[in-house]
Amino acid sequence: AQTVTQSQPEMSVQEAETVTLSCTYDTSESNYYLFWYKQPPSRQMILVIRQEAYKQQNATENRFSVNFQKAAKSFSLKISDSQLGDTAMYFCAFMKPGNQFYFGTGTSLTVIP
Amino acid sequence: ETGVTQSPTHLIKTRGQQVTLRCSSQSGHNTVSWYQQALGQGPQFIFQYYREEENGRGNFPPRFSGLQFPNYSSELNVNALELDDSALYLCASSTGRYNEQFFGPGTRLTVL
Repeated sequence: AQTVTQSQPEMSVQEAETVTLSCTYDTSESNYYLFWYKQPPSRQMILVIRQEAYKQQNATENRFSVNFQKAAKSFSLKISDSQLGDTAMYFCAFMKPGNQFYFGTGTSLTVIP
Repeated sequence: ETGVTQSPTHLIKTRGQQVTLRCSSQSGHNTVSWYQQALGQGPQFIFQYYREEENGRGNFPPRFSGLQFPNYSSELNVNALELDDSALYLCASSTGRYNEQFFGPGTRLTVL
């Protein structure tokens, strides 16, 4: 069975600083996808960043980047230059062939002015 | 481009009743997935529909069923509601089975 673990229920960061959210997963699959989703208080989930397991290069989207360590089954999200609008729940998600998505329990991030 | 929409926004039912939740996919999307998100938890995958056929199912009992229509909109039906079915139900659409999913705002179901 696939599991996704986010060990940080809550985090806070000063505006303009950098924060890293942790995620680990467990799978026996070799081909899969990993995602970070953001769920602001309005609750609509938004994709932040996506990583294909077969790609060694870490994905980057503007201020958001990941540290993907396949052997360690780790997929952390780094947010640089944090902004107030980054305040949200962040979910790490794993998708295996067969299209089942597995989400972690989330990390609540608060950006402090 | 219209995003994913869901109806209703909120719903209150009593135990044993049946409920139907609706989802309109984003234009051009042929794949719809449904998730249950209990309070304080991450979304749990219920099932996915691809071109009107079920294409993957999570660990949910058969009383959770769905449909996808030719216009790729979708319904989630839950029979014999239980108290634990109270949750936010999220719908997400995509252009293919492995592509980015776009989420709707969700339907908050309360079972009394």
